[in-house]
Amino acid sequence: DQQVKQNSPSLSVQEGRISILNCDYTNSMFDYFLWYKKYPAEGPTFLISISSIKDKNEDGRFTVFLNKSAKHLSLHIVPSQPGDSAVYFCAAPYYGGATNKLIFGTGTLLAVQP
Amino acid sequence: DAEITQSPRHKITETGRQVTLACHQTWNHNNMFWYRQDLGHGLRLIHYSYGVQDTNKGEVSDGYSVSRSNTEDLPLTLESAASSQTSVYFCASSESGREQQYFGPGTRLTVT
Repeated sequence: DQQVKQNSPSLSVQEGRISILNCDYTNSMFDYFLWYKKYPAEGPTFLISISSIKDKNEDGRFTVFLNKSAKHLSLHIVPSQPGDSAVYFCAAPYYGGATNKLIFGTGTLLAVQP
Repeated sequence: DAEITQSPRHKITETGRQVTLACHQTWNHNNMFWYRQDLGHGLRLIHYSYGVQDTNKGEVSDGYSVSRSNTEDLPLTLESAASSQTSVYFCASSESGREQQYFGPGTRLTVT
């Protein structure tokens, strides 16, 4: 059962335009979400997070929006740059039982065209 | 600067061989994790540890084992490598389960 879902495997955007990456979750117990960015041949790196007590968190060109009623979050990148081309994963810490592991989505490959 | 390293970066092995992937972190984090990344599956947790002598199974632990004898290292062992274990493996560490995890550069393992 995929508790964190990224239904778009890929997204192509023109440089300077907005990129919107989407993530859905099924577990209403999730109260914190993270976005990771991954370049080829490198490990994922943390990008931005949001707590469920907020509906928006902004860091420079990156903004994450959380809609708890829809169990949906999105990452907005404005303006998009070629260096943003990477795979983006959303993730949530799972507190079931004794575990504090992260559950990752399947990722979205963003290609920003010059 | 603190970091997390993995070795080797690339490994080719034969079916049935035992393989150990190394992970070393200098963050002094108690929590360490092993993931595998496969197309269509994202990152899936193999094993994790919350401290020395503590190890736990993740969602895809069959065929893998870990041991934690010190804070810095969490080696991942494939007892008898199978072609289904061809993947990219990432080690990560964190200060707490809620905070961000810091990932190593990955090990690409091919089982022939």
